[in-house]
Amino acid sequence: GIQVEQSPPDLILQEGANSTLRCNFSDSVNNLQWFHQNPWGQLINLFYIPSGTKQNGRLSATTVATERYSLLYISSSQTTDSGVYFCAAASNDYKLSFGAGTTVTVRA
Amino acid sequence: SAVISQKPSRDICQRGTSLTIQCQVDSQVTMMFWYRQQPGQSLTLIATANQGSEATYESGFVIDKFPISRPNLTFSTLTVSNMSPEDSSIYLCSVEKDEVQHFGDGTRLSIL
Repeated sequence: GIQVEQSPPDLILQEGANSTLRCNFSDSVNNLQWFHQNPWGQLINLFYIPSGTKQNGRLSATTVATERYSLLYISSSQTTDSGVYFCAAASNDYKLSFGAGTTVTVRA
Repeated sequence: SAVISQKPSRDICQRGTSLTIQCQVDSQVTMMFWYRQQPGQSLTLIATANQGSEATYESGFVIDKFPISRPNLTFSTLTVSNMSPEDSSIYLCSVEKDEVQHFGDGTRLSIL
């Protein structure tokens, strides 16, 4: 199946800072999603973005499908942004493969 | 969007026993997915459950260990059988709705 790699594995931010998380995938995708898992374990979908750019508040994402990567931008980070960010992708089927995640800690 | 209810939210079980996890969705969906998240790890797909047919299991997961039922288009169960401490994980139910994958809050399972 498709391989998904995320970087960096860990990120520590001061409140108000901006950051970029990266997701590389090994094959062409028909499905690419970003999730946030909060400290209580709840998994929330942030973006469905197999290509192009989307924005939702302080978060935005860009997928360059031809170069097999996606970026998640967090601007003006807040302590509530802490948690694990997962990228997941599928290629020609419905099964999402998850990356290892980026653990983000935002300090007040 | 989709609202997914999972029960139980957590449990502590003795080794050798079995536990059935329930997943209820607020709308009809064709496929329901079961994932496992081991401590500190990412999510791994266990199986895909379709109504009216056998579940499709991923490599490393077998029906005898993780039997799945899908009696209708809004409900599914996953049983973790003959549990050992290695089965201690979060088990998550998921559905796709309008291209977006939605997850239940998960079942935190600890085996003593």
